[in-house]
Amino acid sequence: KNEVEQSPQNLTAQEGEFITINCSYSVGISALHWLQQHPGGGIVSLFMLSSGKKKHGRLIATINIQEKHSSLHITASHPRDSAVYICAVHKDQGAQKLVFGQGTRLTINP
Amino acid sequence: KAGVTQTPRYLIKTRGQQVTLSCSPISGHRSVSWYQQTPGQGLQFLFEYFSETQRNKGNFPGRFSGRQFSNSRSEMNVSTLELGDSALYLCASSWTGVGNEQFFGPGTRLTVL
Repeated sequence: KNEVEQSPQNLTAQEGEFITINCSYSVGISALHWLQQHPGGGIVSLFMLSSGKKKHGRLIATINIQEKHSSLHITASHPRDSAVYICAVHKDQGAQKLVFGQGTRLTINP
Repeated sequence: KAGVTQTPRYLIKTRGQQVTLSCSPISGHRSVSWYQQTPGQGLQFLFEYFSETQRNKGNFPGRFSGRQFSNSRSEMNVSTLELGDSALYLCASSWTGVGNEQFFGPGTRLTVL
């Protein structure tokens, strides 16, 4: 079983819908990253969380350390939000590496 | 501030050859991590360097190696290329490591024929 699991793997929605992508992990962590990857490969860091909630524009990320779960929400989704969203964790044993989920491919139709 | 740059962006090699990829981090960042992304395995950690020292290495064979220079620029080398090495190779830089926000380069797409 992977240490980081994302759901759903694929998500198609209409413009304007509220989107939720989930990430569950099975190890102790010191930080969780949400990343966005557009076609062509470039990756952008959206959030880094160790507790609570962060908001940037229409994007909101939450983390529940006790339940080992994080969610990424997109409000008022737009076709330009279409991308692969990747959850990655920094394990708390101190190893300087990220462990990645398999990604969620999001398609927003106009 | 310039972002993370990687060169070359695209590369085609044949089996048995070797390849060197380069990553220039954001100015002031001392940590550089390398990742391999394939359709089958997703993103996988290769290694991380900080101040010219490799702090961690992922589960890749010894054909994969890297180094970091005093100006924090990093290179990774793959020797005796195999077809399965075809992938997008990404580097990411940060101030001190993966506990900080990661800034990714555009990647080098390697095709092994």
